[in-house]
Amino acid sequence: AQSVSQHNHHVILSEAASLELGCNYSYGGTVNLFWYVQYPGQHLQLLLKYFSGDPLVKGIKGFEAEFIKSKFSFNLRKPSVQWSDTAEYFCAVNVRYGGSQGNLIFGKGTKLSVKP
Amino acid sequence: EAQVTQNPRYLITVTGKKLTVTCSQNMNHEYMSWYRQDPGLGLRQIYYSMNVEVTDKGDVPEGYKVSRKEKRNFPLILESPSPNQTSLYFCASSPVTGPWDSPLHFGNGTRLTVT
Repeated sequence: AQSVSQHNHHVILSEAASLELGCNYSYGGTVNLFWYVQYPGQHLQLLLKYFSGDPLVKGIKGFEAEFIKSKFSFNLRKPSVQWSDTAEYFCAVNVRYGGSQGNLIFGKGTKLSVKP
Repeated sequence: EAQVTQNPRYLITVTGKKLTVTCSQNMNHEYMSWYRQDPGLGLRQIYYSMNVEVTDKGDVPEGYKVSRKEKRNFPLILESPSPNQTSLYFCASSPVTGPWDSPLHFGNGTRLTVT
């Protein structure tokens, strides 16, 4: 079965530190890739997405992610985190099978805590 | 304002007492879905619906029912809740083609406790 792995369960950083959250998936076919963010007490919202084209995608709030097909990875990055980035981050992958649309699979999430 | 509305936000109930969590969206979205979120397990899909009268099981459908009689509403029904259904539940919707091409819009969540 397809799966999405987020390597870090909890990441703790100081403000201004750089961030990289790992995401790997286990399917070699066509995929659409997403990162969602959940701020404390809130619902999930889209951070960025990759469908095709430039493998480096930019999202809201200074986040970016790079799709590396050969590594089945879609890591999330931010050069300098802020306290307001404290949240849980979910990678999600849609796997396409031929002409079908497939379904969306979420990783287990990574909690980011930013110390002021 | 475009939104997905879930009710209630918090619910405490006892084992075996039937309950319904409502979900409504005002964006004319075709696709709707229910997820449960548990610590360390992330989001797991319970049921989804591609359109009116079309529903399918997700990864963890046992103990849940859904219906899609109208495009805007997608209630989640627990006929006989059990403590292992204590969780945070999210409803989500997406435009015509589904969450693979368009981002999901999530409701604010329902925190359910079954004692």
